[in-house]
Amino acid sequence: DGGITQSPKYLFRKEGQNVTLSCEQNLNHDAMYWYRQDPGQGLRLIYYSQIVNDFQKGDIAEGYSVSREKKESFPLTVTSAQKNPTAFYLCASSMGTSGTEQYFGPGTRLTVT
Amino acid sequence: QQQVKQSPQSLIVQKGGIPIINCAYENTAFDYFPWYQQFPGKGPALLIAIRPDVSEKKEGRFTISFNKSAKQFSLHIMDSQPGDSATYFCAASPMNSGNTPLVFGKGTRLSVIA
Repeated sequence: DGGITQSPKYLFRKEGQNVTLSCEQNLNHDAMYWYRQDPGQGLRLIYYSQIVNDFQKGDIAEGYSVSREKKESFPLTVTSAQKNPTAFYLCASSMGTSGTEQYFGPGTRLTVT
Repeated sequence: QQQVKQSPQSLIVQKGGIPIINCAYENTAFDYFPWYQQFPGKGPALLIAIRPDVSEKKEGRFTISFNKSAKQFSLHIMDSQPGDSATYFCAASPMNSGNTPLVFGKGTRLSVIA
């Protein structure tokens, strides 16, 4: 069964705690992405990675960190420096970065209180 | 230059109607234009995509129209059904020119009422 998995589906944390969101793909895709979605805001790019051990900041990288130690995994850490972390987080992957079909995972809804 | 402007923000149509969602872009390097469909609480799913060598592409009830000179493209949903109620996103990126991720529009929330 090929696809992108994100876990957990719902995550609750207290303010001031770091939290790591998981994203795994078995599509053998080179590129992976993290987006944040807020109501009425569309999809905002946090970080993306084109190859293992390399990643680039997106439009809203502040307060987030990522790693890409394996091709199939791209975890996102929401740090305590992120001022407004409550949101729906989406992971995606594609064969290449430009002009190729991008596939999304089911998302993780993070609530920080 | 990197923006994709999508309209309307929301749309309500009767069952059987033809909702039309429009997107406009500035960057002439963009030459891959996908549309995504997202149901509440789910990840977006690729619906249909077009490259600028054609002016129209149909897949089932979904049609993309593309106007290269105007730098606009639109999604038409024929014979819309209540099950089409979702948020639709357009996007754009250049092909084979560096590593530019998809640029997304802000989305259109479609409601199809019976």
